Amino acid sequence: GAVVSQHPSWVICKSGTSVKIECRSLDFQATTMFWYRQFPKQSLMLMATSNEGSKATYEQGVEKDKFLINHASLTLSTLTVTSAHPEDSSFYICSAREDGARQGFPGANVLTFGAGSRLTVL
Amino acid sequence: GNSVTQMEGPVTLSEEAFLTINCTYTATGYPSLFWYVQYPGEGLQLLLKATKADDKGSNKGFEATYRKETTSFHLEKGSVQVSDSAVYFCALSGGSGNTPLVFGKGTRLSVIA
Repeated sequence: GAVVSQHPSWVICKSGTSVKIECRSLDFQATTMFWYRQFPKQSLMLMATSNEGSKATYEQGVEKDKFLINHASLTLSTLTVTSAHPEDSSFYICSAREDGARQGFPGANVLTFGAGSRLTVL
Repeated sequence: GNSVTQMEGPVTLSEEAFLTINCTYTATGYPSLFWYVQYPGEGLQLLLKATKADDKGSNKGFEATYRKETTSFHLEKGSVQVSDSAVYFCALSGGSGNTPLVFGKGTRLSVIA
């Protein structure tokens, strides 16, 4: 089945530094990937839609200069948390949908999620 | 816009008890519906899905039926196990390839032996 790899799975950094999180679709191509953020004991909040070859689409309230998204290829999207602060500490999860999934296809409309990256900013 | 409402937890059950987690949705058109599960310290895994009205998704003993008339997609399992302890998320997709999932707030299930 479709697999999405996310790296690193956890990272601790000092306040003011930048952290990059990678999201790779291992056995399929994904023109579009999605980045979610999950606060403790809360649901997933969509941060942005990452589009290969173009700018990401950010949800209202998400700072695009704080959370830089680069979708460099059909299998890789990166999220960089710039000048991280303790309030940026969270669980970040990426997801992808296989290109070309059609209605009736087993993978139609199914998002595959990475295992998540836990960021702790000291 | 699209939205998902699911029962708030936490839900605590004894092993072999019957589980129901309610989920209702609001959407335009004909969304696909999903249940995802998140085990402690892990990401989300697809548990089951249904893509049209009256479809029943099932996996690992869990079932959910897409009810368009009641806009519901309740999750059920006849006999829960300790290993089912996790957070369960109901979600919907608007249908096009570039549509992200809209999630409910999640329901934490704890099963005790």
